[in-house]
Amino acid sequence: DIQMTQSPSTLSASVGGLVTITCRASQTINTWLAWYQQSPGRAPKLLIYKASILEVGVPSRFSGSGSGTEFTLTITSLQPDDFATYYCQQYNSSPWTFGQGTKVEV
Amino acid sequence: QVQLQESGPGLLKPSQTLFLSCTVSGASVSKTGFSWSWIRQHPQKGLEWIGTVYYSGTTYYEASLKSRATIYIDRSLNQFFLRLTSVTAADTAVYYCAKDRFFGGNSPFDLWGQGTLVTVSS
Repeated sequence: DIQMTQSPSTLSASVGGLVTITCRASQTINTWLAWYQQSPGRAPKLLIYKASILEVGVPSRFSGSGSGTEFTLTITSLQPDDFATYYCQQYNSSPWTFGQGTKVEV
Repeated sequence: QVQLQESGPGLLKPSQTLFLSCTVSGASVSKTGFSWSWIRQHPQKGLEWIGTVYYSGTTYYEASLKSRATIYIDRSLNQFFLRLTSVTAADTAVYYCAKDRFFGGNSPFDLWGQGTLVTVSS
């Protein structure tokens, strides 16, 4: 199975700030990577797929980059609704696996 | 607008069988090109893919769950289901049903149900 490792596990940020989350795969996954946002008590929400394609309706302050084994999610101009936990997921090869999550807190 | 809604028992005893259903509205579960998945999230932990069913009924499972899990579609009810046998405390989790963004395997999950908590306890 492909292991997905996110860093950091938790990060502190402020409204209006910039956040960068890293996700590393244990083997190459090309660009078959998605990012999700999960608020407390809610289901995950797809933000980005194929490493850098923004899902319809997701604000442009979210962006993704990377290929191979290293990926980044960047949030610019952080908004109050953005304080949540973010997960990466590889869908290069089954079983589809997720990172352990990065909690963005105030 | 496609929406998904899980339903299930909430509480089970060890060794029992878990049945969960996912009601799909706004789309047909058997429409060509659609595939549907079950994912779970253990308390305070990360997400685990359980398996996927294609519109045709073809299924794929996470290897460690394959012997206990069955996913299937009921076209008449426009639902899909998860059956998990011989549950233990390790199966305690929030279970989500989800829609695959693309058909054929390499796909993220673009729509999720709200999730249903399943607790296994004697």
